[in-house]
Amino acid sequence: DVVMTQTPLSLSVTPGQPASISCQSSQSLLHSNGKTYLHWYLQKPGQSPQLLIYEVSSRFSGVSDRFSGSGSGTDFTLKISRVEAEDVGVYYCMQGRHVPGTFGQGTKVEIK
Amino acid sequence: EVQLVESGGGLVQPGGSLRLSCAASGFTLSNFWMYWVRQAPGKGLLWVSRINPDGRITDYADSVKGRFTISRDNAKNTLFLQMNSLTADDTAVYFCARDMRWQALDSWGQGTLVTVSS
Repeated sequence: DVVMTQTPLSLSVTPGQPASISCQSSQSLLHSNGKTYLHWYLQKPGQSPQLLIYEVSSRFSGVSDRFSGSGSGTDFTLKISRVEAEDVGVYYCMQGRHVPGTFGQGTKVEIK
Repeated sequence: EVQLVESGGGLVQPGGSLRLSCAASGFTLSNFWMYWVRQAPGKGLLWVSRINPDGRITDYADSVKGRFTISRDNAKNTLFLQMNSLTADDTAVYFCARDMRWQALDSWGQGTLVTVSS
């Protein structure tokens, strides 16, 4: 199975400041069709996960433009331009290129 | 509105069985791959199983292969997970989720808790 490694595992951010989470995969997530299948989810406290970003950099419907994704091959980044209180929770990267899909360990984001 | 509602969780003894259901509404179930993802208490997300739109193709995590069976009834808009030979390691909240494409899971249920304990 593809191993997904996230760093850091926890992050404490001052409101209004940026935040960044890295995700590395043990195999390339680039498909022969030219697309890369790396997705980001946020699980807010007490809630189910929700899709934030799909295919590296496409924001899902309704997701704030404060969230952006980038990367290629095996190295990816999720950035929050200005963290707000509602952004707290655990962020997971997940690869969809290979079966089974695999998640990173999660990065817990808290507000200072 | 897309909605997924899981049911069937509960307390079961080691070696026992449980069948989870996921009722779908607000969309045509037969158009989508569907997934089960679980989360052990205080832990991260783990991909469990998936099934293609017509139910003919299924995949499983190694940890559940041979013990769990995913199925669906598109006419009744319901996804299932039959879990046999349960162990304490299977204790988790089980979520069903819809695949938008390439395992980008765009809708999730609220989850149902399965506790395996004597």
